[in-house]
Amino acid sequence: EDKVVQSPLSLVVHEGDTVTLNCSYEVTNFRSLLWYKQEKKAPTFLFMLTSSGIEKKSGRLSSILDKKELFSILNITATQTGDSAVYLCAATSYGQNFVFGPGTRLSVLP
Amino acid sequence: NAGVMQNPRHLVRRRGQEARLRCSPVKGHSHVYWYRQLPEEGLKFMVYLQKENIIDESGMPKERFSAEFPKEGPSILRIQQVVRGDSAAYFCASSPRLTGTGVDEQFFGPGTRLTVL
Repeated sequence: EDKVVQSPLSLVVHEGDTVTLNCSYEVTNFRSLLWYKQEKKAPTFLFMLTSSGIEKKSGRLSSILDKKELFSILNITATQTGDSAVYLCAATSYGQNFVFGPGTRLSVLP
Repeated sequence: NAGVMQNPRHLVRRRGQEARLRCSPVKGHSHVYWYRQLPEEGLKFMVYLQKENIIDESGMPKERFSAEFPKEGPSILRIQQVVRGDSAAYFCASSPRLTGTGVDEQFFGPGTRLTVL
């Protein structure tokens, strides 16, 4: 059965800290891995990763995929209170299936 | 450019009633996905539809739940004889036509929060 595991499930840090969120996956016919940020409403897209070892960056956020070890990390540097959210990882397959992880709940304290 | 629209945003039903949730995908998108998010849990896939076809309903309960995506109009998720355990946020997402290499980004709607009394 396809599955996505995220760790930690929750994390509390102070502003300015750097955090690393982990996502491991087991998906048949894996195609891509996606990261989303979910605040009080619908998830918003952050990154899509399809190739190993190529870092994607957007401001203070960056992510990388390791297809050999079947995991991805999402880094957030110099965290701000506005980064507080649930970060969801999803793996897709060529069978058009999306499998979401449980999410990591990040709380950034002032 | 309108994003994915869902209505109603909040729906309250008593046990035994029917709930109808609507989703209008991004214009031009022909793929619709429905997810359920229970309190303090992640998104759970329910069903994947293309116009007039159900492609994958492996995540949808066999009884009381049904989904459609007609040629014209929004996609509908229908829950008959609702029970308290159906209380959740239901998200719809759409994605563009397949390019032959699989589906990539999904665009999510704001969700419908169903409360069953």
